[in-house]
Amino acid sequence: EAQVTQNPRYLITVTGKKLTVTCSQNMNHEYMSWYRQDPGLGLRQIYYSMNVEVTDKGDVPEGYKVSRKEKRNFPLILESPSPNQTSLYFCASSGTGKVVGYTFGSGTRLTVV
Amino acid sequence: AQSVTQLDSQVPVFEEAPVELRCNYSSSVSVYLFWYVQYPNQGLQLLLKYLSGSTLVKGINGFEAEFNKSQTSFHLRKPSVHISDTAEYFCAVSLYGGATNKLIFGTGTLLAVQP
Repeated sequence: EAQVTQNPRYLITVTGKKLTVTCSQNMNHEYMSWYRQDPGLGLRQIYYSMNVEVTDKGDVPEGYKVSRKEKRNFPLILESPSPNQTSLYFCASSGTGKVVGYTFGSGTRLTVV
Repeated sequence: AQSVTQLDSQVPVFEEAPVELRCNYSSSVSVYLFWYVQYPNQGLQLLLKYLSGSTLVKGINGFEAEFNKSQTSFHLRKPSVHISDTAEYFCAVSLYGGATNKLIFGTGTLLAVQP
């Protein structure tokens, strides 16, 4: 089954403790992206990657890092989480060259206390 | 820069009634348009998309949307809603021929179907 898999689904952590949210896709997609969803703000792009070793900032990159060492994986790293990063996070992927829309993961609900 | 406006944050409607969820976009270049649905505690699922051609687009679950270039709108409609349609709906745009696949989302509309 074609899918984007995120882990974990839920995470509660403390301020300053480094964490990684994993994202993996099995569709051989070139393009991957991270979004955060906040009430009243919709989804805002954090980072995206056009292919292996090619990443770039989205609209709200502060406090986040990403890497794309393999085509299927695109982890999101919070080196020193703060309470304002409490949010619902989505990973998405798509092919390039044809517009078919994104395939989204199921989301990771992060709470930073 | 492109932007998407969903004016209604919440739309209450009775079961079997028709519904329209409004979406307006702003762009100086041609765009692709999408509607996504998010059921409670789930990710986003593609409902329908407009890329080119016929301005009336049909999607899953009986939804359809009409692209109106002069009004820069892409409203979503369903003639008769069910309780199971209760969800949040997001309109999104992507640049036609853009260098990236970036999707720009609206703030979402919560469709609340009441019995």
